[in-house]
Amino acid sequence: NAGVTQTPKFQVLKTGQSMTLQCAQDMNHNSMYWYRQDPGMGLRLIYYSASEGTTDKGEVPNGYNVSRLNKREFSLRLESAAPSQTSVYFCASSNRGPYHEQYFGPGTRLTVT
Amino acid sequence: GESVGLHLPTLSVQEGDNSIINCAYSNSASDYFIWYKQESGKGPQFIIDIRSNMDKRQGQRVTVLLNKTVKHLSLQIAATQPGDSAVYFCAEYLAGGGADGLTFGKGTHLIIQP
Repeated sequence: NAGVTQTPKFQVLKTGQSMTLQCAQDMNHNSMYWYRQDPGMGLRLIYYSASEGTTDKGEVPNGYNVSRLNKREFSLRLESAAPSQTSVYFCASSNRGPYHEQYFGPGTRLTVT
Repeated sequence: GESVGLHLPTLSVQEGDNSIINCAYSNSASDYFIWYKQESGKGPQFIIDIRSNMDKRQGQRVTVLLNKTVKHLSLQIAATQPGDSAVYFCAEYLAGGGADGLTFGKGTHLIIQP
């Protein structure tokens, strides 16, 4: 039981490049989330998926897209990376909703130059 | 604006002492409050939660206290150990808001002195 896994762990992009962050969970959770974490700020929700087949915008969705590929996988795509997207990205999952225990992945540290 | 905050960004305590981490919230309608722990280089880890109809909840070596009168939440860690060194986040949740209803605070860095 690996919990929540994320790839890659580190990534450096040039402005304008695109990439996809991968996330998978093996706990059969319905809900999955993408957050970003910036210094001096709390976790901010980018997108979430309450169940397979649904996705919704969070607090900071601009510049991102997501895909809930199946119940296990939830990917985050940056179509044209900008320096403002330099951050640590966390994927999380929960069984019954955001206020219940969320399980977080180890994070992806992204730098956009 | 920021509706969840912490009184102290850094808290240093001696190993074996008790730690108290504080959190203020501004939305009196919030239904749930949650504490997460984040060790360096790792993702946050759930510690304990409390519903708004409760004043206190205890876990293993941790106690969360909720004072709705002054909109204050605290996490008490008993007999702190080196492994307790981490950043601790509080979060509040407003029912009906979907995943957007969860707001995280900035975090308090707990340092355990030997």
